[in-house]
Amino acid sequence: KAGVTQTPRYLIKTRGQQVTLSCSPISGHRSVSWYQQTPGQGLQFLFEYFSETQRNKGNFPGRFSGRQFSNSRSEMNVSTLELGDSALYLCASSLDTSGRYNEQFFGPGTRLTVL
Amino acid sequence: AQKVTQAQTEISVVEKEDVTLDCVYETRDTTYYLFWYKQPPSGELVFLIRRNSFDEQNEISGRYSWNFQKSTSSFNFTITASQVVDSAVYFCALSEAYNAGNMLTFGGGTRLMVKP
Repeated sequence: KAGVTQTPRYLIKTRGQQVTLSCSPISGHRSVSWYQQTPGQGLQFLFEYFSETQRNKGNFPGRFSGRQFSNSRSEMNVSTLELGDSALYLCASSLDTSGRYNEQFFGPGTRLTVL
Repeated sequence: AQKVTQAQTEISVVEKEDVTLDCVYETRDTTYYLFWYKQPPSGELVFLIRRNSFDEQNEISGRYSWNFQKSTSSFNFTITASQVVDSAVYFCALSEAYNAGNMLTFGGGTRLMVKP
């Protein structure tokens, strides 16, 4: 079974631009979560999508948004990029059959550099 | 609000030594889940273990063992006879059941370096 895939793996943007990152969950998984990892703030939860609806949201500005498609694939978008948005963005998927917590499987991440 | 603290930012040991990584958590929820993840240099987080708040049994898996103590809000991880391949950053994480979802709160991580 293929794992969680994220594209692109590396991205370089300049301040003020916007970026879209993509995540394909493990087949059959319905929940997709996004995390930001930086040296200063560590791993922080961005948001979670389940059945195309945002179920949880972390404490990030509105410049960070996401969506989930009917095939469970998810995208996150960051508008008006700032230098501080440089980070490793990790996506995780979960089977989530019962609505209770299930193990999350993480992808390799997208490393975003903002110049 | 939930919080996870990993006081050890970096640990260095020599191969075959035993090493314990500490994790202390805070939560107001009575039902919660605790996790350990390993992040090798490749960056991908690898799931190691999940524990729910009602199961305080310690667990052993090969060279890995976990000690969960609700009385001290700790969930410590021990690697016995460490190997160079154990070198990685290890994260402890917490999820509260009331969230009705999969939101993880991570500790700051402990970088483990195992020298040959």
